[in-house]
Amino acid sequence: EAGVAQSPRYKIIEKRQSVAFWCNPISGHATLYWYQQILGQGPKLLIQFQNNGVVDDSQLPKDRFSAERLKGVDSTLKIQPAKLEDSAVYLCASRKRGGSSTDTQYFGPGTRLTVL
Amino acid sequence: GESVGLHLPTLSVQEGDNSIINCAYSNSASDYFIWYKQESGKGPQFIIDIRSNMDKRQGQRVTVLLNKTVKHLSLQIAATQPGDSAVYFCAESRRFSGGGADGLTFGKGTHLIIQP
Repeated sequence: EAGVAQSPRYKIIEKRQSVAFWCNPISGHATLYWYQQILGQGPKLLIQFQNNGVVDDSQLPKDRFSAERLKGVDSTLKIQPAKLEDSAVYLCASRKRGGSSTDTQYFGPGTRLTVL
Repeated sequence: GESVGLHLPTLSVQEGDNSIINCAYSNSASDYFIWYKQESGKGPQFIIDIRSNMDKRQGQRVTVLLNKTVKHLSLQIAATQPGDSAVYFCAESRRFSGGGADGLTFGKGTHLIIQP
């Protein structure tokens, strides 16, 4: 089966500009996550969706970050305006079910964002 | 917030030797633990997982050990191969008790280097 798809793979912008990332999860996967991975660190959860509803956005900087999953499939993550400290790899992950199950969380290749 | 950490940033082993990567976690409420492997430019790849009601689980060439008393997790890789070179992350979650919010908390990672 196809994996989690993300685009673009790389993006360079100047601070205060806006940027959007796109994620297409594995077909049939109900749960979708966005993570931020700063160089040299482990990924940090930003937001979790179950179908088209938000389950957890407690770590999302809502003053500048937003995310949506309108039809319960694809998702977009937006940053407006970007800051230098937003330079990171943004990873999308999905898993088939939600709730208490041991199904695997699969990650996409990520989008590397550089803010100048 | 609480997070999962790894003891060593870098581990160098000879090809063919066994590797042990350690991780300490601090959230006693965590009930599900996963090891991921991340190669340069790629997203994390699932290796093996373990629930908190177990203390050992084996896969192909890998074993995960969980010691809840001291909140310690380890990944053992048998007969390391050049393809095992990567950064290894442990991650924890409240998969079965988080009420649906089950995003992963990652540590900083251990870079495993395989010497010929």
